Amino acid sequence: EPEVTQTPSHQVTQMGQEVILRCVPISNHLYFYWYRQILGQKVEFLVSFYNNEISEKSEIFDDQFSVERPDGSNFTLKIRSTKLEDSAMYFCASSELADTQYFGPGTRLTVL
Amino acid sequence: QKEVEQNSGPLSVPEGAIASLNCTYSDRGSQSFFWYRQYSGKSPELIMFIYSNGDKEDGRFTAQLNKASQYVSLLIRDSQPSDSATYLCAVSPTARQLTFGSGTQLTVLP
Repeated sequence: EPEVTQTPSHQVTQMGQEVILRCVPISNHLYFYWYRQILGQKVEFLVSFYNNEISEKSEIFDDQFSVERPDGSNFTLKIRSTKLEDSAMYFCASSELADTQYFGPGTRLTVL
Repeated sequence: QKEVEQNSGPLSVPEGAIASLNCTYSDRGSQSFFWYRQYSGKSPELIMFIYSNGDKEDGRFTAQLNKASQYVSLLIRDSQPSDSATYLCAVSPTARQLTFGSGTQLTVLP
């Protein structure tokens, strides 16, 4: 069964450093999303992406964040200058149409 | 502020019983409703989705939607210990993002 994959599974970085989280959505899916979940808290929407552009973003997704689809298979989330409060699980999701979203296994980001 | 509310639990049921999980949402314009299961340290796994008022059954799972009351529920019949997890209600107001509740922790006792 096709699934969303994410790399790395765990990323440790120093405050102020840039990180890039990578995702490979399900191959025939057209819509891509990033969510995050701080330990013990709700899953929170960050951004949705369709047709090579952002279609929606939340208040969390400020100028420190960017997304890109650099080729036909990868979808990335970049955090330019990480803060301690960026420590969280980051989930990529994809959907064939703008409906049912399937989540990847997540990347645990730890900012020291 | 669009909110999705769930009882955090924990909810404990004996093996073989029916588990009932509830969710209310604030945005009347919401169109799509989802239930995800999340094991500790893992990602959300889709269980059910429902778009129309009424019941939708899939195996041991039944989702119920009442848009007038802004209420969604999930029934799990013949609960198994492997069903022990946190169940997340998610609502899609725009079809391009999901708003999640905080989840209900379910424990099925052998």
